[in-house]
Amino acid sequence: AQKITQTQPGMFVQEKEAVTLDCTYDTSDPSYGLFWYKQPSSGEMIFLIYQGSYDQQNATEGRYSLNFQKARKSANLVISASQLGDSAMYFCAMREALLRWTNAGKSTFGDGTTLTVKP
Amino acid sequence: DTEVTQTPKHLVMGMTNKKSLKCEQHMGHRAMYWYKQKAKKPPELMFVYSYEKLSINESVPSRFSPECPNSSLLNLHLHALQPEDSALYLCASSQVPGVLYEQYFGPGTRLTVT
Repeated sequence: AQKITQTQPGMFVQEKEAVTLDCTYDTSDPSYGLFWYKQPSSGEMIFLIYQGSYDQQNATEGRYSLNFQKARKSANLVISASQLGDSAMYFCAMREALLRWTNAGKSTFGDGTTLTVKP
Repeated sequence: DTEVTQTPKHLVMGMTNKKSLKCEQHMGHRAMYWYKQKAKKPPELMFVYSYEKLSINESVPSRFSPECPNSSLLNLHLHALQPEDSALYLCASSQVPGVLYEQYFGPGTRLTVT
């Protein structure tokens, strides 16, 4: 089974509107971290936001927020007030603590969602 | 400063060439990573260096040879590559290789093997 699932290959949003990018994950490890990255067409992966499995509150960073529903194993990224520069591929990733000794540093990435912001 | 730099930005090489990719960070991070990424796919982990020692090799062919000369520098030596090795090669670093620490990526090197 895939550990990270992003079900939306492509999404469109009107400029200035909010958009939600879906991410579900699968782990039996009680300690894990969830990350979102943005990759514009230039290629650089840009870290956006982090949510730890023990965090009580949803993470927020500027226009980015993470809708973390632990029981449903979902970690959706919400982008408010979309801008043309938000057009990019977005990856959800997970790192599990149980792997830290044998596979420290391994992240599992989803297949990504391509977001297009329309003017 | 959260910058990871990579050189060169683009590289075209023949199958018999030897070339190297370079990655540098000055954030004091002790974990560094090489990823390979094909178009419209997620990055695939190749190697992890933790405190300048190779900690993970994801069964990468020996034509790729990583090197970590010091805590700020990471190289990837390339020899006798195949056309299917053409991809974007991303370097990343994190404070340490732990679950809590985000990775900062460089801009990547676009490699074409002819």
